[in-house]
Amino acid sequence: AQSVSQHNHHVILSEAASLELGCNYSYGGTVNLFWYVQYPGQHLQLLLKYFSGDPLVKGIKGFEAEFIKSKFSFNLRKPSVQWSDTAEYFCAVNQGGKLIFGQGTELSVKP
Amino acid sequence: EAGVAQSPRYKIIEKRQSVAFWCNPISGHATLYWYQQILGQGPKLLIQFQNNGVVDDSQLPKDRFSAERLKGVDSTLKIQPAKLEDSAVYLCASSFGAGGADTQYFGPGTRLTVL
Repeated sequence: AQSVSQHNHHVILSEAASLELGCNYSYGGTVNLFWYVQYPGQHLQLLLKYFSGDPLVKGIKGFEAEFIKSKFSFNLRKPSVQWSDTAEYFCAVNQGGKLIFGQGTELSVKP
Repeated sequence: EAGVAQSPRYKIIEKRQSVAFWCNPISGHATLYWYQQILGQGPKLLIQFQNNGVVDDSQLPKDRFSAERLKGVDSTLKIQPAKLEDSAVYLCASSFGAGGADTQYFGPGTRLTVL
């Protein structure tokens, strides 16, 4: 069965620091990959997604992610975080129309 | 564009009681999903509908959980009887299609506490 692993449960950064959140998945076939974000008190919303083409995907609010097929990875990056990026981040893989989520990474950005 | 609507937002019940959650998807979205999110975990799919038919309910505990999507629009998820381990946030999502690249849009969720 497909599984998704997020390496860090809680990350604490200062404003302007660079961010990289790890995500690895287990399936070796064609995959569609997503990063969702949940800001405090808000619902899950799409940050970015990859389904084909350029493995470097750009999303909202300056986030990007790189799909590396050989490493089964889809890491999320942002060069300079802001206090407003404090949220929980979920990586997900779509398998046959079903989203399989990682356990999430809580990001706290200190002003 | 209105998002996915869910109600109630919070519910507290005692074990062995029953509870129901309601979801109204984004207009025009054929596919509807119910997820369970236990504290500290990512959402887990319970059931997927395509219009008013069930596509995947392999992870739905059918001895106590049921769901329906009459007329292919709104959906209800019911738990009867509830157990302590059912305490979680129940998320509804919808998408235009059921393909792998279709974006799922999530509602605010219903936080259930079973005492």
